[in-house]
Amino acid sequence: AQKVTQAQTEISVVEKEDVTLDCVYETRDTTYYLFWYKQPPSGELVFLIRRNSFDEQNEISGRYSWNFQKSTSSFNFTITASQVVDSAVYFCALSLNQAGTALIFGKGTTLSVSS
Amino acid sequence: EPEVTQTPSHQVTQMGQEVILRCVPISNHLYFYWYRQILGQKVEFLVSFYNNEISEKSEIFDDQFSVERPDGSNFTLKIRSTKLEDSAMYFCASSPISDTQYFGPGTRLTVL
Repeated sequence: AQKVTQAQTEISVVEKEDVTLDCVYETRDTTYYLFWYKQPPSGELVFLIRRNSFDEQNEISGRYSWNFQKSTSSFNFTITASQVVDSAVYFCALSLNQAGTALIFGKGTTLSVSS
Repeated sequence: EPEVTQTPSHQVTQMGQEVILRCVPISNHLYFYWYRQILGQKVEFLVSFYNNEISEKSEIFDDQFSVERPDGSNFTLKIRSTKLEDSAMYFCASSPISDTQYFGPGTRLTVL
């Protein structure tokens, strides 16, 4: 069975601090996808990134970066120079490489950025 | 940019009543999904739908739930006899084949 663990329930930082959100996943499949979604206070789920299991290259998009390490089954998300608008719940998710398959979500990490 | 839309944004119903939640997936997407999120908890998969059939469903998706694509654009989730524990945010999502799922803004269902 697949599982996603986000051990950090809540993180509070001050603006301009860097913050890393941890994600550990479990699956016996060799082909899978990993995702991060953002849920701002307004409630919608916003797609941030998708990674497949064969691509361990780190990715950077502006202030966001992702570190995928198969050896530790982790897919961590770092926000550099955090801003108040980054305050949200962040979900890590896993799906198998199969059309129409479920996304398995972690419990989410609530990030609060204060000014 | 195309988006998934959902109506209504908030639905209040009495226990035992039937509700239908509506979604319009992104037009060229082929897979459709329903998820729910009980307040303060994680997002849980309910069902996926492809080619007018259920592709996968979770244990949560029992006989009180059903899905339908009544026309070329809408995708609906029906809850036959609502219970208090059905109160949650319900998200619709859609995806191209084997690709990223894009979520709608959600419908908050409150069962009294």
